[in-house]
Amino acid sequence: DQQVKQNSPSLSVQEGRISILNCDYTNSMFDYFLWYKKYPAEGPTFLISISSIKDKNEDGRFTVFLNKSAKHLSLHIVPSQPGDSAVYFCAARAQISNFGNEKLTFGTGTRLTIIP
Amino acid sequence: DGGITQSPKYLFRKEGQNVTLSCEQNLNHDAMYWYRQDPGQGLRLIYYSQIVNDFQKGDIAEGYSVSREKKESFPLTVTSAQKNPTAFYLCASKPGGPHSYEQYFGPGTRLTVT
Repeated sequence: DQQVKQNSPSLSVQEGRISILNCDYTNSMFDYFLWYKKYPAEGPTFLISISSIKDKNEDGRFTVFLNKSAKHLSLHIVPSQPGDSAVYFCAARAQISNFGNEKLTFGTGTRLTIIP
Repeated sequence: DGGITQSPKYLFRKEGQNVTLSCEQNLNHDAMYWYRQDPGQGLRLIYYSQIVNDFQKGDIAEGYSVSREKKESFPLTVTSAQKNPTAFYLCASKPGGPHSYEQYFGPGTRLTVT
């Protein structure tokens, strides 16, 4: 059961335009959402996050929007740059015990290609 | 400088052999995690540890074992019972305490079993 879904395996965007990456989730217990960027053969690097009590978080060229009623979040990158070409993973956090245990559930990723 | 190290970067083993992947962090983080990534799939949680001398199974723990004897180290053993061990393995860590949700990842180890 895929609780976090990224339905677009790939996306191509012209340099300078806006990139929009989407993520859907099914578990209403998720309380925090994160976006990671990953280059081939490297570990993911944290990009931006949002708490479930907010609907928008912005950091420079990156903005994450959360629509809790639709269980949908999106990452906007504007303007897109060639260095943004990577795989982007959406992740959702849930607490899984009263002893502080928590886990992240990751989507399958979207490969973003920025065309110069 | 602080970070998470995984060694080696590439590892080759014959089928039927156990192999241990190293993960070390000097970030003073309490929690550590092991994931595997397969082509076209997201990261799947193998094991995690919130504190020294304690660890929990993740979603795909069968065929793997871990230990957490030191705060800095969380080695993963891929046993011969793991049916599809060839994958990219990622270790991550996270500070303890409330409101710290970001996990920090190491560079990964690509394991190939033939």
